[in-house]
Amino acid sequence: GAGVSQSPSNKVTEKGKDVELRCDPISGHTALYWYRQSLGQGLEFLIYFQGNSAPDKSGLPSDRFSAERTGESVSTLTIQRTQQEDSAVYLCASSPSQVGSSYNEQFFGPGTRLTVL
Amino acid sequence: GNSVTQMEGPVTLSEEAFLTINCTYTATGYPSLFWYVQYPGEGLQLLLKATKADDKGSNKGFEATYRKETTSFHLEKGSVQVSDSAVYFCALFNAGNNRKLIWGLGTSLAVNP
Repeated sequence: GAGVSQSPSNKVTEKGKDVELRCDPISGHTALYWYRQSLGQGLEFLIYFQGNSAPDKSGLPSDRFSAERTGESVSTLTIQRTQQEDSAVYLCASSPSQVGSSYNEQFFGPGTRLTVL
Repeated sequence: GNSVTQMEGPVTLSEEAFLTINCTYTATGYPSLFWYVQYPGEGLQLLLKATKADDKGSNKGFEATYRKETTSFHLEKGSVQVSDSAVYFCALFNAGNNRKLIWGLGTSLAVNP
């Protein structure tokens, strides 16, 4: 079946503009994550959705960042008034339910490379 | 808190050389440990995992053993190939940590023919 898809694959924008990144998770996966991967910085957790529970937004770096998810489907990550330091690869991952103590593998999309000029 | 420390790269090896990428962790309780791999131009993929002490994860010739006494999960492969060139990430999952994976910074491996 189809994996996690993200769009666009590349986005170049000007400082101060808003951008919207999209993630289509694997069908049936109730958990969805957004990460940011900066050069030399590893993966930085941004936000986590689990079913209809309130999302864990503890990783969002500022109030310019927000994310939404409709039910158990598509998610969008929005960055308002982009800054040059927002340039990074934004990764989305989905997994079966993470409720309980066991870990369910996260499946990653190819990412969106954001460049803020 | 929970954290993962892995050796800095880049690591450059010749084909058929032995590979070790060190990973140590700090965690409360009994975390699960993972190695993910990111091949050039591709998304992250789970390489192997271990969910309890002394477990050995293995895949594609790679191995890692969960050592609680040394809080380590070092990645090894006896004979690397050019196709193993990628970035390798060590990660930790702790059920008490809001279901988030805690990641190392990644180690870039380049294998030359």
